[in-house]
Amino acid sequence: NAGVTQTPKFRILKIGQSMTLQCTQDMNHNYMYWYRQDPGMGLKLIYYSVGAGITDKGEVPNGYNVSRSTTEDFPLRLELAAPSQTSVYFCASSYDPQRESTGPYNEQFFGPGTRLTVL
Amino acid sequence: AQSVAQPEDQVNVAEGNPLTVKCTYSVSGNPYLFWYVQYPNRGLQFLLKYITGDNLVKGSYGFEAEFNKSQTSFHLKKPSALVSDSALYFCAVRDDRGSTLGRLYFGRGTQLTVWP
Repeated sequence: NAGVTQTPKFRILKIGQSMTLQCTQDMNHNYMYWYRQDPGMGLKLIYYSVGAGITDKGEVPNGYNVSRSTTEDFPLRLELAAPSQTSVYFCASSYDPQRESTGPYNEQFFGPGTRLTVL
Repeated sequence: AQSVAQPEDQVNVAEGNPLTVKCTYSVSGNPYLFWYVQYPNRGLQFLLKYITGDNLVKGSYGFEAEFNKSQTSFHLKKPSALVSDSALYFCAVRDDRGSTLGRLYFGRGTQLTVWP
């Protein structure tokens, strides 16, 4: 198993450009997440998905979009890049067999990250 | 709202000494708590979790964490630190309510440095 893979590893964008960060997992996990990590701020959730065709906003969704057409893939789209989007982006996945409070609480598996700079 | 606090930005400890990385939490329901570690230029790796049961949770690489409900704390510990333990450590709490079920809220992280 490759686990969670992300591409690209690094990218520099100009203000106003757009790009898609790719994320793929091969563990058949139903949940997938996108986080951004800024120095001293921990991780903030951008968007997440509980299964193919279902996505929802996290804490900091503005300026981003996602889609989940398959179980494996969860791309993150930046439409009009801004300097405030300079960050390290992490994709993660987990498996929860049921969306109930009594279900098992499985850990999230993280990808290696994409370092994005917007100039 | 669910949240965690890591009161120390940095912890420095000598190799062979015990280490503690502190975490306190605030939840509206039952606390489900996690510790993750991040090595330089890598993604986060799961260390351990508390769901229910024994207050002392054992995890990877010799780490353990003590859940204390009265103090709302979940401190990470290791009896004997290694230089290779130097990394950024994150505490997280799982959201267990309604439409936001399953989300994790992370602390700001604590940089652990173990010196030889």
